[in-house]
Amino acid sequence: AQTVTQSQPEMSVQEAETVTLSCTYDTSESNYYLFWYKQPPSRQMILVIRQEAYKQQNATENRFSVNFQKAAKSFSLKISDSQLGDTAMYFCAFRGGTNAGKSTFGDGTTLTVKP
Amino acid sequence: SAVISQKPSRDICQRGTSLTIQCQVDSQVTMMFWYRQQPGQSLTLIATANQGSEATYESGFVIDKFPISRPNLTFSTLTVSNMSPEDSSIYLCSVARDRLTDTQYFGPGTRLTVL
Repeated sequence: AQTVTQSQPEMSVQEAETVTLSCTYDTSESNYYLFWYKQPPSRQMILVIRQEAYKQQNATENRFSVNFQKAAKSFSLKISDSQLGDTAMYFCAFRGGTNAGKSTFGDGTTLTVKP
Repeated sequence: SAVISQKPSRDICQRGTSLTIQCQVDSQVTMMFWYRQQPGQSLTLIATANQGSEATYESGFVIDKFPISRPNLTFSTLTVSNMSPEDSSIYLCSVARDRLTDTQYFGPGTRLTVL
């Protein structure tokens, strides 16, 4: 079974600075997909970024980028130029082919951006 | 992406009653899931809703307590039966277009309080 570990329950960053959220996973599959989701306080969970395991290039979406290290099974999220609106809980997720279509989620990291 | 709506958005219910939550998607999807989430906590998968057949429940969740229907590829309901205060939580509907490659998208959630 796959596991996803987010080792940082809480983090904080000053506005305009850069922060990196960690995620590691364990799987024996070769074809899979990785995701970062953002859930602002009392608001809907939305996709931040996704990475296909077969792609070597790290995904980027504006201020959000990932550092995907397939051999190390690491998938960290970097947020550049942090904004107050980035304050949220962030979940790392894994989706493979052997779990009946279900994703495996980490426990989440609560990020606070301070003015 | 998929646009997901849930009804009701929130409710306050009495102990011993039942509540049915509806999930509607704007396009046909293969996978539909129901999750439970305590505020500030991670997601707990209740079940996978299967179109035209019985839902697949995760360990610790049973059909008598959480009956699920999925009459077609765009709609599902989750009923929380014989509620107790321990059922107070946020219930999330989530969908994916396929079993592997698609992103899993989330509805806005239903905030349930049981008195």
